Order: sequence, then C-alpha cells, then structure tokens
Amino acid sequence: QQQVKQSPQSLIVQKGGISIINCAYENTAFDYFPWYQQFPGKGPALLIAIRPDVSEKKEGRFTISFNKSAKQFSLHIMDSQPGDSATYFCAASPGNNRKLIWGLGTSLAVNP
Amino acid sequence: EPEVTQTPSHQVTQMGQEVILRCVPISNHLYFYWYRQILGQKVEFLVSFYNNEISEKSEIFDDQFSVERPDGSNFTLKIRSTKLEDSAMYFCASRDDRSYEQYFGPGTRLTVT
Repeated sequence: QQQVKQSPQSLIVQKGGISIINCAYENTAFDYFPWYQQFPGKGPALLIAIRPDVSEKKEGRFTISFNKSAKQFSLHIMDSQPGDSATYFCAASPGNNRKLIWGLGTSLAVNP
Repeated sequence: EPEVTQTPSHQVTQMGQEVILRCVPISNHLYFYWYRQILGQKVEFLVSFYNNEISEKSEIFDDQFSVERPDGSNFTLKIRSTKLEDSAMYFCASRDDRSYEQYFGPGTRLTVT
C-alpha cells in the first residue's frame, strides 16, 4: 500500500520529442505528488508537483497529468532536450509528516 | 537562492565505526528529513524531524541511527556502528510549514569497507 510504481525504467527520446513517465499508487491517503529530477552525483531537485484536486498542472515544458480514480499520474516533457537527460523520480506523500514515498526512477536519455 | 548543504560530500569508514553526517537546512524551514539511496536504487525515507523530536521513522531507522539538531542551524544523522549495507547516498531535505515542497541537499556518499 505504501508503494509507488513507476514506468518505464528507462526511456530514450529524440530531441524535440515528448517524454512520458507514468506512476501508479494504491494508498488513497496520498495527497501530494511531486516529480524530482536527479543528475548523476547530485541530489534530487523538485521539478513539479500536484495535489489531487486538479487533473493537470503545467510549468513550462513539464506537465503532470493526474487521474484520481485510476490512482495514476504521469509526467510529460514536451520538446525534450539533451539537457533533460537525467533520472526522474515520482513520489507521493500522505498527510502529517509529509514523508516521500518514491518510485524506482526512470533514466531518460534525449538524443541530439 | 537558499539551499540545503551537506558535509562531507564523501565519507569512507570501516565497518563498526561511528559516522556523523551533517546537514544545514534552509534557514526558515521547520521540517527536516533524512533519506538514503543505495546505488542504482530508489530513494528511501529514513526519518522526519520537527520541533526537536522525531515525528516519524522508517523500519530502516533502527537503534543504530539517531538524529539531532544540536544548534539552530545543523541537523545531523549518526550511525553508531556502521555495516557494509549502510553504504549509500544520504540526502537531507527540509521544508517550511507553508508548503509540502521538500528541498534536498547534494548528499553524502557513505562507503563502509
């Protein structure tokens, strides 16, 4: 129930293409869903996050789509660039302490 | 821009030794967290800390682990007797009380030999 399932494990996209990463959860107590970007040797950096009261949130080239009934959410990276090549983690958080439960990560490579 | 800092960036220690990992959270943040990431695996929650006490800990955070906020700026994670399986990246994170956003430090790579 505490798991967040993330797919795919790895993704290769051409420059200018759309990268899509999916996550699913079981625990209905989760009410905050962030996406983090991590470059090798660095800490995770918050990219974008959503609460379940909205179905979509867009910030620049990054969009989260959220389907509460299906307990799924996804990250879309439009016009993917080589600089987007990184590992992306979805996470979910229940109330109170806001600990983050993480997906396994997706290694994204954007070819020039 | 304020950021979370961590020291050291890399710590090598022998099995059975004690290590202290240090973090300086963002100054107006009140909630503090430690996570770890074993190489190539997902990030795992260890402990959360608020109002000078542990608010939640995971099953990983056993009696060998402790956290402390010794002064107004530092937040430390101590591992009393390190094991080989403690080798991982350890990340500190903090957030303020007005949002859910956690900001992470660059991590400390702990290598236990």
